[in-house]
Amino acid sequence: QSALTQAASVTGSPGQSIIISCNGTNNDVGAYNFVSWYQQHPGRAPRLIIYDVNSRPSGVSSRFSGSKSGNTASLAISGLQAEDEAEYYCSSFARSGTPSVFGTGTQVTVL
Amino acid sequence: QVQLVQSGAEVKRPGASVTISCVTSGFTFTNHYLHWVRQAHGQGPEWVGRIHPSGGHTYYAGTFRGRVTVTRDTSTSTVHMELRSLTSEDTAIYYCATQINRWGSCGGDCYPLDHWGQGTPVTVSS
Repeated sequence: QSALTQAASVTGSPGQSIIISCNGTNNDVGAYNFVSWYQQHPGRAPRLIIYDVNSRPSGVSSRFSGSKSGNTASLAISGLQAEDEAEYYCSSFARSGTPSVFGTGTQVTVL
Repeated sequence: QVQLVQSGAEVKRPGASVTISCVTSGFTFTNHYLHWVRQAHGQGPEWVGRIHPSGGHTYYAGTFRGRVTVTRDTSTSTVHMELRSLTSEDTAIYYCATQINRWGSCGGDCYPLDHWGQGTPVTVSS
């Protein structure tokens, strides 16, 4: 099972909105609405911020939102803040039965 | 509160085996799948496998099948992961993780991972 593909980096200024894309196949992202997104700060474990494409766990800011079209999932961050600077990973259930196929990661930099 | 506390860093020679432990607390151990995920430096996470502590049933990623064994000890609410025949490509941080809140509708073992251990660095070097 190959990793999902993400752009290596995205940069934005405070207050701006950015979008991170996650490209999969019709065996994972395209086949199921079970896409999750994780935020990871350096030296820390990943933190769940989106599940089932566009739902947020309690306690996660509404500035984070998710969507999906075909084999591509997206994470949008609005009102960018310094604390949003982190690595972001998508994840999907896969037809092979693997519960979590992860993306290659996108580093978000807040200028 | 939910806690997953992992054993400490390991340094191994190529060809050796490593066993990492994950001591859990704050939830009913036998009610939730426990997963292992690893992350090489600068790379995305990679799912390794999981166990359901109730019956001890396991499922592993194809990449690791035959080389990894996950076990549990219900008396201590601990999960162990043994990885054998280590190579330099196994150098990574290994995390245990679970799905306490069962967010969403995926079900079974594919709920998203909402609680993670602190990670155990494993270095394989000659």
